[in-house]
Amino acid sequence: AQKVTQAQTEISVVEKEDVTLDCVYETRDTTYYLFWYKQPPSGELVFLIRRNSFDEQNEISGRYSWNFQKSTSSFNFTITASQVVDSAVYFCALRGGGGAQKLVFGQGTRLTINP
Amino acid sequence: EAGVAQSPRYKIIEKRQSVAFWCNPISGHATLYWYQQILGQGPKLLIQFQNNGVVDDSQLPKDRFSAERLKGVDSTLKIQPAKLEDSAVYLCASSLQGTGAEQYFGPGTRLTVT
Repeated sequence: AQKVTQAQTEISVVEKEDVTLDCVYETRDTTYYLFWYKQPPSGELVFLIRRNSFDEQNEISGRYSWNFQKSTSSFNFTITASQVVDSAVYFCALRGGGGAQKLVFGQGTRLTINP
Repeated sequence: EAGVAQSPRYKIIEKRQSVAFWCNPISGHATLYWYQQILGQGPKLLIQFQNNGVVDDSQLPKDRFSAERLKGVDSTLKIQPAKLEDSAVYLCASSLQGTGAEQYFGPGTRLTVT
């Protein structure tokens, strides 16, 4: 069975601090896909990144970076120089390699950036 | 490019009443999903369509929930009769065909059952 654990329920930091959101996953599939989504107060889930299991390269996009480590089954997300607009709930999600595999979400981490 | 559209945005009903939600996916997206998101939790897949066929409905409470996707485009999700525990946000998402394709979500319908 697929499982995603986001151990941090809530994080609160002051603006301009760096913050890392943890994601640990479980799967027996050799091919799988990992995702991060942002859910701002408006409620709409916004796609941030997708990683497949064969691509362990870390990725940076502006102030966002992702660290994928298969050895520890982790896919962590770091926001550098956080801003108030980064305040949201962030979800990590996992999908197996089969055609009908569902997207399994973690419980989410509520991130609050204080001015 | 227009995103996933959903209506209504909010709905309040009494238990045992029925309700229906509508979703229009991104143009060209063959796969459509309905999720239920209970407050404080991550979304949970209810049903997945590939064109107008059902791919996965293993977590759909079929005694009260039903969904259809006529003509492989728009979709409706119905609850009849509603229970208090159905209070949640119902999210529709769509994606291109393909196992690892990212899903794009609509704004959701917030359902309150009293």
